[in-house]
Amino acid sequence: EPEVTQTPSHQVTQMGQEVILRCVPISNHLYFYWYRQILGQKVEFLVSFYNNEISEKSEIFDDQFSVERPDGSNFTLKIRSTKLEDSAMYFCASSEIGVWYGYTFGSGTRLTVV
Amino acid sequence: SQQGEEDPQALSIQEGENATMNCSYKTSINNLQWYRQNSGRGLVHLILIRSNEREKHSGRLRVTLDTSKKSSSLLITASRAADTASYFCATVGIQGAQKLVFGQGTRLTINP
Repeated sequence: EPEVTQTPSHQVTQMGQEVILRCVPISNHLYFYWYRQILGQKVEFLVSFYNNEISEKSEIFDDQFSVERPDGSNFTLKIRSTKLEDSAMYFCASSEIGVWYGYTFGSGTRLTVV
Repeated sequence: SQQGEEDPQALSIQEGENATMNCSYKTSINNLQWYRQNSGRGLVHLILIRSNEREKHSGRLRVTLDTSKKSSSLLITASRAADTASYFCATVGIQGAQKLVFGQGTRLTINP
C-alpha cells in the first residue's frame, strides 16, 4: 500500500537553529499538508499546499515557517529559527482529492529543541 | 472554532466487548473523519462520513453522525488487543476549508 514517508524520524536541534523536515507524499496525490502534535495535546493544522502554493495556513504557521516542493516528489517544512515550543511531532499528509476524502499521514518526525 | 471534542478521554474494556467513543463539534461541517494513532506513530484514516449521511460501516467499525446535535460516535465491535490506540475525530468545515480540525482524542485500552 502506498505510504507517505517522513525523514528523519527524530531530530534534536539547538534553539535558534534552522531545521528542515522532509516528506515524500504519495506519488499521484495533489494536496499536501503539515500538522503538528505537541506531546499530550491535539493534532494541529499548520499548512496546506496545492498546485505549488499554500492554499491555507494556520496562525501557528508564522514567518518562521515555510514549505517547499522542490523537485516534484519531496515536500519540506522549514523552521528558520527554532524555539523550545516548536518541540513536537510533525506529521506530513497527502490526499488525492483534498479534505473531502481521507488523508494518508506519514509516521512523523519528532522534533526536540534544546 | 469548529473543534471536535471526544469523550471519554480514556476507555478501558475487555477484549471482545464493544467500544463506543463520542465526538462533538461546534460549526457546520462538510464531513467528519475518524483516525487511529498507535503510540508514537502516525495517524491512520479509518472512516469518513459526509454531512448528508447518518451512518456508515467499515468492517467492525460503525460511525454515526447527528448534524442536529453536532455529534458523532465511533463503535468498534468485538474489540481486540490490537485495537488499543488513541482515536481522534476530525472535522472539515464547509467554507472551502483545506484543513482537518482534530479533537483531543480518546485513549482506548483493550485488556486481554
